[in-house]
Amino acid sequence: AQTVTQSQPEMSVQEAETVTLSCTYDTSESNYYLFWYKQPPSRQMILVIRQEAYKQQNATENRFSVNFQKAAKSFSLKISDSQLGDTAMYFCAFIAYSGAGSYQLTFGKGTKLSVIP
Amino acid sequence: GAGVSQTPSNKVTEKGKYVELRCDPISGHTALYWYRQSLGQGPEFLIYFQGTGAADDSGLPNDRFFAVRPEGSVSTLKIQRTERGDSAVYLCASSPTGTSSSGANVLTFGAGSRLTVL
Repeated sequence: AQTVTQSQPEMSVQEAETVTLSCTYDTSESNYYLFWYKQPPSRQMILVIRQEAYKQQNATENRFSVNFQKAAKSFSLKISDSQLGDTAMYFCAFIAYSGAGSYQLTFGKGTKLSVIP
Repeated sequence: GAGVSQTPSNKVTEKGKYVELRCDPISGHTALYWYRQSLGQGPEFLIYFQGTGAADDSGLPNDRFFAVRPEGSVSTLKIQRTERGDSAVYLCASSPTGTSSSGANVLTFGAGSRLTVL
C-alpha cells in the first residue's frame, strides 16, 4: 500500500518570509510522480508543483520549489516570499505507475498554512 | 467547459434519503475521478472512469454508493439511504487520459459538492 504522511497539521509564516512544508511517502514502485496541491477555502484543489521520480533535479515554479530526496522518500515544499494569498491547506499527493497503469492519487492529511501580515 | 463543474455546491439531506451529485468534466477529458474528503482529511479515492466504463471502483465504501457516466462526459455519483457518516465534500476531477507511463496526467479538480446528512 502507498501512504503519504504530512507531519505538520498547521504552520504559520510572516508575509515575505520563507516556509517549508514536509511530506514523506512510502511505496515499492520505481516509477511515480509527486504533487503538491493547494486548497483554499473555495475548496478547489489547485496544482502547485509536481515532480517526476526519475528526475533528479528538483522542480521549481516561481516562488515554489521542492526538495525531493528519493532515498529518504521525502518531498518537501518550499514557499519563498510568502504572500497572503498563499494561505490555504496544502496537500502532498502521490501517484505510482505500474505495468497496469495507475489512476489513484493518494493524498496526505494536509497542512494548514497561514500567512500573517 | 473551461473547468470541472460540480453541482450542487451544497446539499443538505435527511438520513435515509437518496442523493445525486453531478460532475461535468473538462471537454475532451476521457478520464474522470471521484474523491471524498471528510473534515480535516485529505481526499480519498472513490471511483475512476475511463470513457463510459468504471475502470476502478475499489474506493466505493459500500453498495449504497454508485456512479455512472453513460455518455463518457457528465458523471453522476448516487448515494442511497444516506447516513450521517456520508457527510463530506465530494470532489470530482478529470484528466485528458487516465493512465500514462510517459507523463503524469495532471488532474483538474472541481470545487466539490458539500453533502450534509442530518
